[in-house]
Amino acid sequence: EAGVTQFPSHSVIEKGQTVTLRCDPISGHDNLYWYRRVMGKEIKFLLHFVKESKQDESGMPNNRFLAERTGGTYSTLKVQPAELEDSGVYFCASSQVFGGSGYTFGSGTRLTVV
Amino acid sequence: AQSVTQLGSHVSVSEGALVLLRCNYSSSVPPYLFWYVQYPNQGLQLLLKYTSAATLVKGINGFEAEFKKSETSFHLTKPSAHMSDAAEYFCAVSEYGATNKLIFGTGTLLAVQP
Repeated sequence: EAGVTQFPSHSVIEKGQTVTLRCDPISGHDNLYWYRRVMGKEIKFLLHFVKESKQDESGMPNNRFLAERTGGTYSTLKVQPAELEDSGVYFCASSQVFGGSGYTFGSGTRLTVV
Repeated sequence: AQSVTQLGSHVSVSEGALVLLRCNYSSSVPPYLFWYVQYPNQGLQLLLKYTSAATLVKGINGFEAEFKKSETSFHLTKPSAHMSDAAEYFCAVSEYGATNKLIFGTGTLLAVQP
């Protein structure tokens, strides 16, 4: 089966610009997660979708971040306007069930804001 | 609140030597614990998971980890390191609740010397 796909793999934008990251989960996986790793820090949870509904968005840093999952398939994460501290690697993951099964992660999008 | 501590941000071993990566967790309830690996330019890959069954968990690529409740530890080991094991390793605990999100440690970068 195809894995979790993220694109772009890299993005370099200027401060104040808008960037949209996309994640295509494994087909049939209702749960979709976004995580972020800022350089030198731990990987942190951003939000969780169950199908098209936001189950938990407690990790979203601020209202410059907007995540959507229209139709319960792919998801987008928009950063508008981007700030320098938004630089990092954004990971998407999906899972079919809860309960300690672990997720399948994508390769991540490396975002650099200059 | 649950948390994970990985001791040693960088570990270097010789090829053929024992690999020991340390992880301690904090959880008020029996945890689900995971080890993930990130090879260069790739996504996070699940190495192994503990979900309250056997305390010694075997994973892929010859890795294993032992859950020790009395020590609140979940250290990752491999008897003999290969050059291909060079990567970054992350310990994580799954938070209970509707989200089942992962809380990660800061990661350990493993270098394998010839």
